[in-house]
Amino acid sequence: EDKVVQSPLSLVVHEGDTVTLNCSYEVTNFRSLLWYKQEKKAPTFLFMLTSSGIEKKSGRLSSILDKKELFSILNITATQTGDSAVYLCAVEAMNYGGSQGNLIFGKGTKLSVKP
Amino acid sequence: NAGVTQTPKFRVLKTGQSMTLLCAQDMNHEYMYWYRQDPGMGLRLIHYSVGEGTTAKGEVPDGYNVSRLKKQNFLLGLESAAPSQTSVYFCASSSTGGRLAPLHFGNGTRLTVT
Repeated sequence: EDKVVQSPLSLVVHEGDTVTLNCSYEVTNFRSLLWYKQEKKAPTFLFMLTSSGIEKKSGRLSSILDKKELFSILNITATQTGDSAVYLCAVEAMNYGGSQGNLIFGKGTKLSVKP
Repeated sequence: NAGVTQTPKFRVLKTGQSMTLLCAQDMNHEYMYWYRQDPGMGLRLIHYSVGEGTTAKGEVPDGYNVSRLKKQNFLLGLESAAPSQTSVYFCASSSTGGRLAPLHFGNGTRLTVT
């Protein structure tokens, strides 16, 4: 059975700290891994990773994929209270649901950044 | 710049009642999806559509039906609501075929079934 596991499930840090969120997966016919940030409503897209070892960066956020060890990490440096959210990891597996690749989501990591 | 719009935002149903959730996107996306999000369960795919007139089952399709009569709209129906369908429902869309593009989500519909 395909699965995506995120850890930790929740995390509390103080402003300025650096955090690392983890996502491991077991899927057939892996195609891509995506990270989303969910505040109060709709998840918003952060990164899509398809190749091992290539870091994606956007400001204080960065992510990397290891296709050999089947995991990805999301790093946030110099955290701010606005980073407080649930961070979702999702994997596209080609055979899930038939010929069309669909996303399998992890349960998310709830990050709380205290002032 | 609306993106993906879901209506209604909130709804309370009694067991056995029916309702339809509407999702509309203005990005000319081919693919549309309905997910439900429950505490501790993450996002789970209910049904999806790869184009106008097509629908397919996802991970948790039982108790739901969908229709995609127009490219921009994707409807999710509950024929006889049950308390287990209490959840937050998200609609999403994406543009691509072969390589899945990032999903664009609506703001969700919070449904309570009593």
